[in-house]
Amino acid sequence: GAVVSQHPSRVICKSGTSVKIECRSLDFQATTMFWYRQFPKQSLMLMATSNEGSKATYEQGVEKDKFLINHASLTLSTLTVTSAHPEDSSFYICSARGGSTEAFFGQGTRLTVV
Amino acid sequence: AQSVTQLGSHVSVSEGALVLLRCNYSSSVPPYLFWYVQYPNQGLQLLLKYTSAATLVKGINGFEAEFKKSETSFHLTKPSAHMSDAAEYFCAVSGARYNTDKLIFGTGTRLQVFP
Repeated sequence: GAVVSQHPSRVICKSGTSVKIECRSLDFQATTMFWYRQFPKQSLMLMATSNEGSKATYEQGVEKDKFLINHASLTLSTLTVTSAHPEDSSFYICSARGGSTEAFFGQGTRLTVV
Repeated sequence: AQSVTQLGSHVSVSEGALVLLRCNYSSSVPPYLFWYVQYPNQGLQLLLKYTSAATLVKGINGFEAEFKKSETSFHLTKPSAHMSDAAEYFCAVSGARYNTDKLIFGTGTRLQVFP
């Protein structure tokens, strides 16, 4: 199957700083990318959907100014957690779709805010 | 609107026993249905998918699922569990606009396999 690379896999940052997570589709063009957040032992909660070259669509309750999403090309989307706080600590997962019936997932990023 | 319900947050089986993970869906449009597996601290890997072709779908690692429209179900089965099958399993539904439609996930089922 297609490969989606997510980086970094783990990051620890200080409260108040910003963190950027990258999601790349390595061998296909991702017309749509999705960002999920997963709390321990829970399901994936969709945060936002991004289409290349346009603004992301955020799910209800997700702060767009706090979770900045950029989808500048067909192979790259980024999620920036701005002014991170301990409650933002979580597992973030991206997925990408494009020309296939299935979504391909990145490996996830474990964010810890201290 | 679409949703999936996974019955049973935890399922425990003995090695070699039948695995049955339940998933029921709700969809106002013809659904695409998926089963994903997640190992600790990793992303999701697709096990199998239903996209309106054959109702019995075979996936990787010996898993299969049957789409039953009358029961709005898409249960995941495997005849004989292996220790390596221990993981979190998610059922998901989307619309047929597969390039853009978002995946809606169930709450997940943790499968434990005992020797």
